[in-house]
Amino acid sequence: DQQVKQNSPSLSVQEGRISILNCDYTNSMFDYFLWYKKYPAEGPTFLISISSIKDKNEDGRFTVFLNKSAKHLSLHIVPSQPGDSAVYFCAARGSNYKLTFGKGTLLTVNP
Amino acid sequence: DGGITQSPKYLFRKEGQNVTLSCEQNLNHDAMYWYRQDPGQGLRLIYYSQIVNDFQKGDIAEGYSVSREKKESFPLTVTSAQKNPTAFYLCASRDYRGQDGYTFGSGTRLTVV
Repeated sequence: DQQVKQNSPSLSVQEGRISILNCDYTNSMFDYFLWYKKYPAEGPTFLISISSIKDKNEDGRFTVFLNKSAKHLSLHIVPSQPGDSAVYFCAARGSNYKLTFGKGTLLTVNP
Repeated sequence: DGGITQSPKYLFRKEGQNVTLSCEQNLNHDAMYWYRQDPGQGLRLIYYSQIVNDFQKGDIAEGYSVSREKKESFPLTVTSAQKNPTAFYLCASRDYRGQDGYTFGSGTRLTVV
């Protein structure tokens, strides 16, 4: 049973526009959510996170929104740049600090 | 510079052979994790360890074994019992707060032929 779902395997946007990546979860015990960025043949790198007690966290071009009632979070990238092209993983923290990851969304930003 | 080192980057083995993947960290992190990535599958947890000499099975532990004799090291052995061992393997570690999630290594691509 998939507890963290990223329903869009891929997303393509134009440079300068907004990228919106979505993530849904089922476990209401998750208390912390993170986004990771991954290039091929490399390890994921931490991008931004949000606690379950907040509904928004912003860091430069990246903003994460959390809707607890809908069990939904989203990552907004504005403006999108070609260097943002990568796979983005949503992750949720449960008991024992274990992270459960979604399957990822491949973002392509076209010049 | 502190970080996690996985070696080798690419590894080839014949079917039926055991193989051990190395993971070393100098971040002084207590917890360490092994994940496997397959196309379209995301990251799946194999084993994790929160302290030295202790480890727990993750979601897909069958066919794998680990040890945690030192804080810095968490090697993963892929045994011949693992039915589909070809994959990209990622090691990660976490500090006691876990506020920034995990720090990942650069991964090992294992190909079994």
